[in-house]
Amino acid sequence: SQKIEQNSEALNIQEGKTATLTCNYTNYSPAYLQWYRQDPGRGPVFLLLIRENEKEKRKERLKVTFDTTLKQSLFHITASQPADSATYLCALDMDSSYKLIFGSGTRLLVRP
Amino acid sequence: DAGITQSPRHKVTETGTPVTLRCHQTENHRYMYWYRQDPGHGLRLIHYSYGVKDTDKGEVSDGYSVSRSKTEDFLLTLESATSSQTSVYFCAISDQGRQAYSYEQYFGPGTRLTVT
Repeated sequence: SQKIEQNSEALNIQEGKTATLTCNYTNYSPAYLQWYRQDPGRGPVFLLLIRENEKEKRKERLKVTFDTTLKQSLFHITASQPADSATYLCALDMDSSYKLIFGSGTRLLVRP
Repeated sequence: DAGITQSPRHKVTETGTPVTLRCHQTENHRYMYWYRQDPGHGLRLIHYSYGVKDTDKGEVSDGYSVSRSKTEDFLLTLESATSSQTSVYFCAISDQGRQAYSYEQYFGPGTRLTVT
């Protein structure tokens, strides 16, 4: 079955540094991959979508890469700020449909 | 959370009672979803809808049913609540949007359900 792995340990970094989060998947070839941000007590918020034929996508301080050979996506936040502290979820499409399967998320803590 | 509301936001109920959660959207999006979120499991899809009266099961559908009689409303019913259904429930919506293959989902604020 499809499986998504995100580092369950929190990532703790200093303000101004680049945060890099990893999403690995197995037993599947998704057509696209998405990243979401979730703050405590709130619903996830969509950040970026990258398609299988795209290697990299950028949005302001965010950058996502997608390596279909390694079955891995990396999510980067450059010049990180304490306000970036949150849990970040990756999600893959199920069978190129409108259904998603989510990873359990990685918590990011940016220290001032 | 704009355009998506969930009710109730919090509920405590007893084992064996039926519970209905409501998701309401004002975006006229075609697709609606119900997820549950538990520590260590992330978001898991319960049921989804691809149009009025068109619904299908997700990966954790046992013990749940859904209905969608209008585009804007998607109801999740726990037929006989159990303690294992204590969770945070999120509704989400999506649509094809202006560009093809716009599959991003937009989430509601969640409902925290406790079954005692």
